[in-house]
Amino acid sequence: DVQVVQSGGGLVQPGGSLTLSCEISGLTFSRYWMHWVRQVPGKGLVWVARINSDETTRTYADSVKGRFTISRDNAKNTVELQMSSLRGDDTAIYFCAADKSGRLFEIWGQGALVAVSS
Amino acid sequence: SYVLTQPPAVSVAPGKTATITCAGDNFRFLSVHWYQQKPGQAPVLVINFDGDRPSGIPERFSGSNSGNTATLTISRVEGGDEADYYCQVWDPSSNHVVFGGGTKLTV
Repeated sequence: DVQVVQSGGGLVQPGGSLTLSCEISGLTFSRYWMHWVRQVPGKGLVWVARINSDETTRTYADSVKGRFTISRDNAKNTVELQMSSLRGDDTAIYFCAADKSGRLFEIWGQGALVAVSS
Repeated sequence: SYVLTQPPAVSVAPGKTATITCAGDNFRFLSVHWYQQKPGQAPVLVINFDGDRPSGIPERFSGSNSGNTATLTISRVEGGDEADYYCQVWDPSSNHVVFGGGTKLTV
């Protein structure tokens, strides 16, 4: 069975930095695109970033470009989202997700809450 | 940027058929995917590539894509189907993933 474990959420001050991590087991991780999707509690889903299997393609939503960096370690089956210059409107639940084409989300993590507040 | 429009809410009686729409431009050139999200849980893919069901998704769930509207149909609706439903596409012009605003299904 596929298992997804997310870690790294928490409270951070505006302008601060935080790194989210996601580990997936039970599948051939190196064959999957990895994504981050966020959701303000009570609101809709918003795609944040994606990375392909060999890290040659990284794409970001306009709202986070230049502030967030997605990376992966295929040896450890992990994907990270490094977030900097955090703002109040970055407050959300962040989900990692995986798929084989880079265009949808077949497998989801449980989510991690990031709260940006002073 | 590409915009997907869903009705905010749909209500259906148990045992009836629920229809949730998703409107966008040039849908015939895109594949539409649908997700179910229950309160406090991560989303679950219920329909991919317009009308395919992932393993484990009941046959009661079906999807279609025609013209500028994609449709998620849930037959013989059960109380457990009550959830938020989101449509999603990958926009090749921007290389971005786009979600609809979501539809709350009440049974």
